[in-house]
Amino acid sequence: EIVLTQSPATLSVSPGERATLSCRASQSVSSHLDWFQQKPGQAPRLLIYDVSNRATGIPARFSGSGSGTDFPLTISSLEPEDFAVYHCHQRSNWPLTFGGGTKVEIK
Amino acid sequence: EVQLVESGGGLVKPGGSLRLSCAASGFTFSTYSMNWVRQAPGKGLEWLSSITSSGNYIYYADSVRGRFTISRDNAKNSLSLQMNSLRAEDTALYYCARRYCSGTSCYSLDSWGQGTLVTVSS
Repeated sequence: EIVLTQSPATLSVSPGERATLSCRASQSVSSHLDWFQQKPGQAPRLLIYDVSNRATGIPARFSGSGSGTDFPLTISSLEPEDFAVYHCHQRSNWPLTFGGGTKVEIK
Repeated sequence: EVQLVESGGGLVKPGGSLRLSCAASGFTFSTYSMNWVRQAPGKGLEWLSSITSSGNYIYYADSVRGRFTISRDNAKNSLSLQMNSLRAEDTALYYCARRYCSGTSCYSLDSWGQGTLVTVSS
């Protein structure tokens, strides 16, 4: 099973600041790495697919990068609506797995 | 508009059974792989099971294999999860989610329902 480790567990950031979230895989997932955003009481929403492609309607301040086992997600300038939990997800191998999530909170 | 609506959750005793359903609309259900993902209170996401568009291939997480059964009815645009031998640790919000597969390539979980809550407690 591919284990995804997200860090930090919680990131305290002020609006307008830059945030970088980490997702590391226990083995290569090729480019089959996605990011989801989840707000309280809501279902996860696809944010980034295939490492670096923004899903429909996702603003350009969100960017994914990386390769192999290391995949950072960057939010260039945090807006109030960006405070949420972010989950990375690999679909390279069965079983599909998710990271433990990073909560981005207001500092 | 793509819609996935889960139902069937509730309170069940340990060892009991429950059947979840997911009603799909707004897309050609029979062309999508369907999945169940759960989230225990305050925890992360856990993938449980996938079924291909035709229903020919099924995958399970180790945590539920042998206890849960995924199925679909393409004529009714419906996905199900039969859950038996439920345990306290199965308490979670259960989501259905779709993803498109073409040949051996599968894409992202691009649409999710709002979830149905399952509580296993005596």
